[in-house]
Amino acid sequence: DGGITQSPKYLFRKEGQNVTLSCEQNLNHDAMYWYRQDPGQGLRLIYYSQIVNDFQKGDIAEGYSVSREKKESFPLTVTSAQKNPTAFYLCASSIDRISEAFFGQGTRLTVV
Amino acid sequence: GESVGLHLPTLSVQEGDNSIINCAYSNSASDYFIWYKQESGKGPQFIIDIRSNMDKRQGQRVTVLLNKTVKHLSLQIAATQPGDSAVYFCALRAAGNKLTFGGGTRVLVKP
Repeated sequence: DGGITQSPKYLFRKEGQNVTLSCEQNLNHDAMYWYRQDPGQGLRLIYYSQIVNDFQKGDIAEGYSVSREKKESFPLTVTSAQKNPTAFYLCASSIDRISEAFFGQGTRLTVV
Repeated sequence: GESVGLHLPTLSVQEGDNSIINCAYSNSASDYFIWYKQESGKGPQFIIDIRSNMDKRQGQRVTVLLNKTVKHLSLQIAATQPGDSAVYFCALRAAGNKLTFGGGTRVLVKP
């Protein structure tokens, strides 16, 4: 089945540790996105990539990093510089700018 | 930067009635708009989209209206069902591939 997969679903980390969230898609989509969602809030854009080896900062990129070495993969690293990393992280992809983005099921990160 | 906002954070509707969810946006360069539905603990699901060269689009039980003059987008759900209870987000694209979301409206369907 084609789709977008995020792993793991739940992730726990100690404060001060970097952690990488996985996002893989087999939809042959060029564009990929990472969003952060806090409880009862909307989705805020962290980073997005329009094509392999290219990515742009979104609205809340500080404390995060990404890479786009392969079309299928867009991992997000939450660094120790992110002051409040506990949140629900959503990855999405789209084929072009006039098509909808398809979302993964999210990773809930808890930093203790 | 862009801002996308919603007028009502929570909408309670009687089962069988119609629901209307509104969204205001600020960037007049936006040319593609999407409505998503999100259930608790899950990723958003696509409902319907509309391009800026249209002012209305209909799907199954849903209609999206776009008023570019006042930068307003709405989602109408006909004959609302318990399964429609969720949070609804509008999203839009302007420059490049950047996709920006509104704050969300929670729809509660009362039996």
